Amino acid sequence: NAGVTQTPKFQVLKTGQSMTLQCAQDMNHNSMYWYRQDPGMGLRLIYYSASEGTTDKGEVPNGYNVSRLNKREFSLRLESAAPSQTSVYFCASIEMGLGGSEQFFGPGTRLTVL
Amino acid sequence: DQQVKQNSPSLSVQEGRISILNCDYTNSMFDYFLWYKKYPAEGPTFLISISSIKDKNEDGRFTVFLNKSAKHLSLHIVPSQPGDSAVYFCAASAMGYGNKLVFGAGTILRVKS
Repeated sequence: NAGVTQTPKFQVLKTGQSMTLQCAQDMNHNSMYWYRQDPGMGLRLIYYSASEGTTDKGEVPNGYNVSRLNKREFSLRLESAAPSQTSVYFCASIEMGLGGSEQFFGPGTRLTVL
Repeated sequence: DQQVKQNSPSLSVQEGRISILNCDYTNSMFDYFLWYKKYPAEGPTFLISISSIKDKNEDGRFTVFLNKSAKHLSLHIVPSQPGDSAVYFCAASAMGYGNKLVFGAGTILRVKS
């Protein structure tokens, strides 16, 4: 039981390049989330998927797109990377409940955009 | 406009003493509060939570207190251990918000041996 896995762990991009961050969970959770963590800002929600087949914007969605490929996988795409997207990205999942359950996080992807 | 605030960027405590981490929130719709712990190069891990219908929740060395009238919660760690040194994030959610969490900026706790 690996929990939430993310690939890659590290990535360096040049401005304008594109890439996809992959996330998978093996806990049969319905909801999945993408966050970014910046110094002094905590974790900010980029996009989330309440269930397979649905996606919604979070607090900071600009410059990103997501795909909920199936129940296990939720990917985050940067179409044209910008230096402002340099951050640590975390994927999380949660079993659909009454709003009181904790989220399980992956180990993160550290992205640098030059 | 930060809805969840952790005003102390860092805290240093002696091993064996109490650590108190504080968190304030502004949105009165929040009804569930969580604390996460994060080590370097790892994802956050869930520590403890509290529902708005309670004012205290205890789990071993960790206790969370909620003061709804003051929109304030705190995490007490007693006794503090060197392995507790990490970044602690306070988070809040509201029923009907799709289990979305709003996080504070985090407090770095250093427990000195």
